[in-house]
Amino acid sequence: AQKVTQAQTEISVVEKEDVTLDCVYETRDTTYYLFWYKQPPSGELVFLIRRNSFDEQNEISGRYSWNFQKSTSSFNFTITASQVVDSAVYFCALREYNNNDMRFGAGTRLTVKP
Amino acid sequence: GAVVSQHPSRVICKSGTSVKIECRSLDFQATTMFWYRQFPKQSLMLMATSNEGSKATYEQGVEKDKFLINHASLTLSTLTVTSAHPEDSSFYICSAGGTSGGAYEQYFGPGTRLTVT
Repeated sequence: AQKVTQAQTEISVVEKEDVTLDCVYETRDTTYYLFWYKQPPSGELVFLIRRNSFDEQNEISGRYSWNFQKSTSSFNFTITASQVVDSAVYFCALREYNNNDMRFGAGTRLTVKP
Repeated sequence: GAVVSQHPSRVICKSGTSVKIECRSLDFQATTMFWYRQFPKQSLMLMATSNEGSKATYEQGVEKDKFLINHASLTLSTLTVTSAHPEDSSFYICSAGGTSGGAYEQYFGPGTRLTVT
């Protein structure tokens, strides 16, 4: 079965610092999908990105960037020049091609202080 | 992406009563519905998966007689917490899954916060 590990439980940074959230995954499938979600205090999940296993290109979206490394089974998320509004819990998740249910990591609580 | 709604967003009930939570996929054919539970400061844990018109498949440790799931149509699934107890207090999130444009997509609802007193 698939497994997602987010070793960082909580991270605290000062505004404008860069921060990287780690995600390591395990799967036996050769085809799978990786996700990052943001969960603000309201509780609603905000979709950030989906990455297919056959596409190892890194992605940048504004202040957000993702580094997908199949060799180390990692899909790390970096926020550049963090802002207070980035404070939330961030979840990494994995969905296998042959098993449609999505499994989540434990989440990383990011606090950005002014 | 598609819009998935949940009703109610928040509910408080007394111990021993039953509570029904609705999950609607407003503009998406959800062949599969997923129900997750999230306790405070914890991750989302999959409770069950249901395919439209079929019985739900429950994850290990989830009581199927306590958490009744109905997925009668491609746009509606319900979760009924029967004889609720304080330990059932949690944030319940549904997710609608289906094929759109040849790819499998999954969209999450905003969640329902259940408090059992």
